[in-house]
Amino acid sequence: QKEVEQDPGPLSVPEGAIVSLNCTYSNSAFQYFMWYRQYSRKGPELLMYTYSSGNKEDGRFTAQVDKSSKYISLFIRDSQPSDSATYLCAMSGDTGRRALTFGSGTRLQVQP
Amino acid sequence: EAGVVQSPRYKIIEKKQPVAFWCNPISGHNTLYWYRQNLGQGPELLIRYENEEAVDDSQLPKDRFSAERLKGVDSTLKIQPAELGDSAVYLCASSSRQGGPLSSYNEQFFGPGTRLTVL
Repeated sequence: QKEVEQDPGPLSVPEGAIVSLNCTYSNSAFQYFMWYRQYSRKGPELLMYTYSSGNKEDGRFTAQVDKSSKYISLFIRDSQPSDSATYLCAMSGDTGRRALTFGSGTRLQVQP
Repeated sequence: EAGVVQSPRYKIIEKKQPVAFWCNPISGHNTLYWYRQNLGQGPELLIRYENEEAVDDSQLPKDRFSAERLKGVDSTLKIQPAELGDSAVYLCASSSRQGGPLSSYNEQFFGPGTRLTVL
């Protein structure tokens, strides 16, 4: 069993929809929880990170971490066609100098 | 500011041939990572450097893979000989020295990757 599980999708939604992306994990040592976005033929780019449990909001994006359930989520409000990409959750038990453990990624398609 | 630079972007080789990938991290970043991303999967760490020292290479298949970062700046990852299962995207990432409060994340910046196809 992988340390980080993520539904690969694909997930197809109409423009303007609210998108919910999720990951579960098994390693209780994880303290940093990140969401990366990866466009086709590009490297991952950081969207948001959260330290320990709680919520964090940045524009249309909200990240939630529930350490008691080992469950993290990313919500995208008012989704746009430009949000179409693969979303990777990633985790670390230390600061970003240590290697990240990634989920397999969820492919999102926002239909105009 | 330039991001992480990788070359080549694409490489097609026959099995048993050698191949090398090059990475130039963001200026001033002392930590460099090589990840491998198989199709439909997330990146997995191969090796991490702090300056010129390899501090985590436990996932590097040392029988055929080697890496170096001689002057603590750019890095080369080599495969010799390549196998069919090595077909993947090889990503390089870099981050700066740790600093700030415990809650701050030291962001890893990724390059565009080198897409390797082994025939």
